[in-house]
Amino acid sequence: DAMVIQNPRYQVTQFGKPVTLSCSQTLNHNVMYWYQQKSSQAPKLLFHYYDKDFNNEADTPDNFQSRRPNTSFCFLDIRSPGLGDAAMYLCATSRETGPGVNEQFFGPGTRLTVL
Amino acid sequence: DQQVKQNSPSLSVQEGRISILNCDYTNSMFDYFLWYKKYPAEGPTFLISISSIKDKNEDGRFTVFLNKSAKHLSLHIVPSQPGDSAVYFCAASVDFGNEKLTFGTGTRLTIIP
Repeated sequence: DAMVIQNPRYQVTQFGKPVTLSCSQTLNHNVMYWYQQKSSQAPKLLFHYYDKDFNNEADTPDNFQSRRPNTSFCFLDIRSPGLGDAAMYLCATSRETGPGVNEQFFGPGTRLTVL
Repeated sequence: DQQVKQNSPSLSVQEGRISILNCDYTNSMFDYFLWYKKYPAEGPTFLISISSIKDKNEDGRFTVFLNKSAKHLSLHIVPSQPGDSAVYFCAASVDFGNEKLTFGTGTRLTIIP
């Protein structure tokens, strides 16, 4: 089955220690997204890639970076995690952007704990 | 500033009855709305959407109603089934669907057998 895969499902890191979260997709979609969801809050878009074009949300902290080496993979790098970065990180894909094609397919998420 | 609001964190409904989940928005530029359903340990999955040029969209047991003047939409599930127990997220976007979705905080629906 075509899907969005996130590894690991649970990640524990130490305060200030860089961490990378991984997302892969078998849907061959052009667009990949990263969302942050804190407890009892709405998922919040951090950034997205359209193919190789990176689009950062204005309020995404500089501490968060992303890489998309090819169509299938996208990484979220947190350079110096703080306690406030503990959250569920959701990766999503969509075939295209634009009217009527905005259905996004989500992975199961990676829950990040910062000690 | 929460532009999409789901004011009921939880809702319990008897099996076979109608479930009504509500969502309010403040940004008048939103013109495309989606509902996602999330089971534990899984990512959200798309359920149904509606464009602002319509006031109703139906897909099987699921119907979404949009009241633009009130900036309100609702998801009706009838009849409710135990498998409908999940968290439901309302989301909105501009330009009839672009890359930026603004989500609500979700409503946990529990169907009581």
